[in-house]
Amino acid sequence: AQKVTQAQTEISVVEKEDVTLDCVYETRDTTYYLFWYKQPPSGELVFLIRRNSFDEQNEISGRYSWNFQKSTSSFNFTITASQVVDSAVYFCALSERPYNTDKLIFGTGTRLQVFP
Amino acid sequence: ETGVTQTPRHLVMGMTNKKSLKCEQHLGHNAMYWYKQSAKKPLELMFVYSLEERVENNSVPSRFSPECPNSSHLFLHLHTLQPEDSALYLCASSQERSGGTRYNEQFFGPGTRLTVL
Repeated sequence: AQKVTQAQTEISVVEKEDVTLDCVYETRDTTYYLFWYKQPPSGELVFLIRRNSFDEQNEISGRYSWNFQKSTSSFNFTITASQVVDSAVYFCALSERPYNTDKLIFGTGTRLQVFP
Repeated sequence: ETGVTQTPRHLVMGMTNKKSLKCEQHLGHNAMYWYKQSAKKPLELMFVYSLEERVENNSVPSRFSPECPNSSHLFLHLHTLQPEDSALYLCASSQERSGGTRYNEQFFGPGTRLTVL
């Protein structure tokens, strides 16, 4: 069965610290997609990144970076030099595809609090 | 308006009331979704509409009734809800393609915070 585990329920850091959010997934599909979403206090989930199962290159976007390790079924997210505006709940998700429409399986989320 | 909008943002209703949640997407997408977000639980997919046809119904109780009149609008009709239905209800949309390259980022609205008394 498809499953996404985010073992860290809540993380607190002080501004400018680096922080890594863990994500471990389970799937029997050979083709799948992984996602990270950010949910600020306003409520809407903001798409951050999509990674397909054939692309294991790490990605960097500004202060954000993602480490995809197929061997350990992990897709971890690092924020470098964290800022107060990074405070949010972050969700990792896995895409499976019944019918012709993608279905996202979400983890339970990690609440990140960045203190000034 | 841009992106995905949802109204109302907050709703309090009694167990005998009937109400509807509305979602509108301004992205030209052809698939729309309802999710339920309860405290300390993963987001739960409730319904999926692709090209205005319901393609997924995740064993949702019949007191939740979705409606998708066109590709831009999605409703969730509520009646005789239970207190445990209190949650944040999120709508999302995406552009689906058959075969070929999958293009499946889902864009979310801000949600409706529902409280059932």
